[in-house]
Amino acid sequence: EAGVAQSPRYKIIEKRQSVAFWCNPISGHATLYWYQQILGQGPKLLIQFQNNGVVDDSQLPKDRFSAERLKGVDSTLKIQPAKLEDSAVYLCASSLGSGRARGETQYFGPGTRLLVL
Amino acid sequence: QKEVEQNSGPLSVPEGAIASLNCTYSDRGSQSFFWYRQYSGKSPELIMSIYSNGDKEDGRFTAQLNKASQYVSLLIRDSQPSDSATYLCAVNMGRGQNFVFGPGTRLSVLP
Repeated sequence: EAGVAQSPRYKIIEKRQSVAFWCNPISGHATLYWYQQILGQGPKLLIQFQNNGVVDDSQLPKDRFSAERLKGVDSTLKIQPAKLEDSAVYLCASSLGSGRARGETQYFGPGTRLLVL
Repeated sequence: QKEVEQNSGPLSVPEGAIASLNCTYSDRGSQSFFWYRQYSGKSPELIMSIYSNGDKEDGRFTAQLNKASQYVSLLIRDSQPSDSATYLCAVNMGRGQNFVFGPGTRLSVLP
């Protein structure tokens, strides 16, 4: 079974530029998560989709970040314009069900490392 | 109060010793608890999950859960240098924001 795929793996941009990340979850997984992990910290949830609907985006900086999951499969996360503090690893994860059930487990992709100069 | 807290590291143990990692959480309604291991520059990988009070063992790893104390721990027996990584505690709170991660504890196992 293929895992969660992400691209690109690395990205270097200048502040105020825009950037987009792509994620393809494990086949059949209904729920997709985007996390931001700043160096030395745990992952912070940015947005959670169930199929193609948003379940939680309370921690997404909506003035500059946007995400979509068309057709309930792969997803893109965009930052426009980027700030220095956006330098982080952006992790995509997926889970089979809604994420709320006991026993629900999420699986992570390799992440995209973003450096904003 | 932070939702998920972990003991501050780094934690250093000699090879062959028991490493003890601790995690506390704030939401009493939390249902599921997970330990992830994250090597430097890599993504988190699931080590263990636990849902009921008590101990759960898997090889050299034992997870312990005490819901009354809102406490979950991970014991690593016979620690190996390859166990050196950051260990993340994650809690599924069963509500809007499901999985909340702690800040992680960095473990170093010294040969």
